[in-house]
Amino acid sequence: DAKTTQPNSMESNEEEPVHLPCNHSTISGTDYIHWYRQLPSQGPEYVIHGLTSNVNNRMASLAIAEDRKSSTLILHRATLRDAAVYYCILRDLGETSGSRLTFGEGTQLTVNP
Amino acid sequence: NAGVTQTPKFRILKIGQSMTLQCTQDMNHNYMYWYRQDPGMGLKLIYYSVGAGITDKGEVPNGYNVSRSTTEDFPLRLELAAPSQTSVYFCASSYPIQASNTGELFFGEGSRLTVL
Repeated sequence: DAKTTQPNSMESNEEEPVHLPCNHSTISGTDYIHWYRQLPSQGPEYVIHGLTSNVNNRMASLAIAEDRKSSTLILHRATLRDAAVYYCILRDLGETSGSRLTFGEGTQLTVNP
Repeated sequence: NAGVTQTPKFRILKIGQSMTLQCTQDMNHNYMYWYRQDPGMGLKLIYYSVGAGITDKGEVPNGYNVSRSTTEDFPLRLELAAPSQTSVYFCASSYPIQASNTGELFFGEGSRLTVL
């Protein structure tokens, strides 16, 4: 399994941008980078994913390094509802190797009012 | 759509008892997963399945069994429950990731199990 490394915790102030880093130095050419978040007492939910180019959606932006060995999830204006654990995982394109999905410990984001 | 449905939501077991956690999805997803999450920790993969009749072990399969007789259902069986199996269990499903879809995982609400 390709592994990812994230900081255990990060803190932000409300309405400020948040940059959540993820290192994946052993990423392969067919690995997609996926981000999920888990709100308290809920199951994880999908946030965003990308392969090579930066991606934007209504929830966040994903910036991918040119060598793809790291990525950053960007929350443009943090709200109190963004306080959650954020997971960065790799998912291989392909029916067999992309099926065994493991999560690390993620980053606990605290948002201060 | 109901999405991924898990039952029961809460259960207390005595040591040595057995039980089955039910998981069903109505999205016709090929892939299904069982994870456990201990307090303050990340998700650990127990078992997964890429289609009916096919299952495989994850990171922490000991003490659990699964079956996948249909696309929709992926029950997780605990045999001889132990206190170490006290955890929150999440079921998830997805399509295989392809260029034309996200391969997004859809999670159930979780089943909180306590073994005393």
